[in-house]
Amino acid sequence: DTAVSQTPKYLVTQMGNDKSIKCEQNLGHDTMYWYKQDSKKFLKIMFSYNNKELIINETVPNRFSPKSPDKAHLNLHINSLELGDSAVYFCASSQDRAGQGQYQPQHFGDGTRLSIL
Amino acid sequence: GESVGLHLPTLSVQEGDNSIINCAYSNSASDYFIWYKQESGKGPQFIIDIRSNMDKRQGQRVTVLLNKTVKHLSLQIAATQPGDSAVYFCAENIGLGSGGSYIPTFGRGTSLIVHP
Repeated sequence: DTAVSQTPKYLVTQMGNDKSIKCEQNLGHDTMYWYKQDSKKFLKIMFSYNNKELIINETVPNRFSPKSPDKAHLNLHINSLELGDSAVYFCASSQDRAGQGQYQPQHFGDGTRLSIL
Repeated sequence: GESVGLHLPTLSVQEGDNSIINCAYSNSASDYFIWYKQESGKGPQFIIDIRSNMDKRQGQRVTVLLNKTVKHLSLQIAATQPGDSAVYFCAENIGLGSGGSYIPTFGRGTSLIVHP
């Protein structure tokens, strides 16, 4: 069973289009994340949701809108795609640290490679 | 800006050798330091973490060393195998995210190449 699954794996589209990436986790985690990895492998957090509520919103254009219908899902919708949006987008989840005596690592999906033509 | 960086972008080793991947950090308030491994076409995978009040932690074939005096972190891999070839990221966790979550900041990554 895939713990964190995101679809699609590849997304090729034209500038100006609107697209969505879906993410689901079956680990029972309370927190989900979206990361962007650029061509130099730099991994930067975009958003984080805890129990369906937005807790982290880094400096991301408002063309990017996350949606969490329930705590097992965190989808990413992108409007008016630009060339600079080309990257690999990773979804991740983790357990809350509250009450835990040790670090609770992020579990990542295998990424969605977004290419803008 | 970035507060976590790496000394070497690429490390090539022979199978069976020990590998050492280094990382520098700048934020003294970080409470955990973490290493992730990313294989080609996959997402990062957790390897090991170390709390800021420790200086050494061992796992299976891996050891993480933390030197807070010089703000340096290293990952040692014993008897490196071809399957260890990947990009390795260090990350630091700075404080608490709202809701009690961990929010790590990742460094740029080191590519480890293991030659058979």
